[in-house]
Amino acid sequence: AQSVAQPEDQVNVAEGNPLTVKCTYSVSGNPYLFWYVQYPNRGLQFLLKYITGDNLVKGSYGFEAEFNKSQTSFHLKKPSALVSDSALYFCAVRDFSGFQKLVFGTGTRLLVSP
Amino acid sequence: EAGVTQFPSHSVIEKGQTVTLRCDPISGHDNLYWYRRVMGKEIKFLLHFVKESKQDESGMPNNRFLAERTGGTYSTLKVQPAELEDSGVYFCASSYGLAGVGEQFFGPGTRLTVL
Repeated sequence: AQSVAQPEDQVNVAEGNPLTVKCTYSVSGNPYLFWYVQYPNRGLQFLLKYITGDNLVKGSYGFEAEFNKSQTSFHLKKPSALVSDSALYFCAVRDFSGFQKLVFGTGTRLLVSP
Repeated sequence: EAGVTQFPSHSVIEKGQTVTLRCDPISGHDNLYWYRRVMGKEIKFLLHFVKESKQDESGMPNNRFLAERTGGTYSTLKVQPAELEDSGVYFCASSYGLAGVGEQFFGPGTRLTVL
C-alpha cells in the first residue's frame, strides 16, 4: 500500500532564508508525487507535481521539489522564504495502479518569522 | 473559471442527525473525489466518481456514508446517522481526464462538527 511520511510537524525559518519541507514516500510502482498548500480558512492549493522526467520540479510561488528515487524522497524547497509562505503543507502520492486516489501525509506547518 | 465549490462551509449537528454535503466540481471535470481530515490528522480518501459512476469507494468508512453524483455533475455526501467520530473537514476535489495524471483541484472544505 502507498504511504507518505512528513517527519516534521512544524518547520520554523526566518524570512529570507532557504526552506525545506521533507517528504518520503512508499509505493509499489513508480510514483506520482504532489505538493499542496493550505492557507488558513482556505482549501488545498496545488503547488507542483512530479510525474516523470526531470527530477527537479518547479511550481507555484517560487517553490520547487526534488524527486530522489534512491531515497524515496520528494522534499519541497524554496531559496528565500517569505512570511506569506506560512501555511500547512501536504505531500501526496499515487501510484500507477488503476486507482487515482491520493495518499496524503499528515502535513507540516511552516512558520516563517519576519 | 470557477473553482470547486462546497456547501455548507460549516455544519454543526447533534449525534444521530443527518447531514448532506454538496460539491460542485470544475465544469468539464469528469473525476470527482471526496476526502476528509479528522482531528488534524492526514487527509484520507473516501471515494472517486468518474462521471456518475463510483470508480473507487474503498475509503468509505461504513454504510452510514452515502455518496451520489446524479448526472455526472455535482455530488452529495450524506451521513446518516452522524456519529461523534464523523467530525472533521470534508474536502471535495475534481480533475480533468481519465488518465489520472492531472492534478486534483480542491474545494475549501466543509467543516462538520457532531455534538
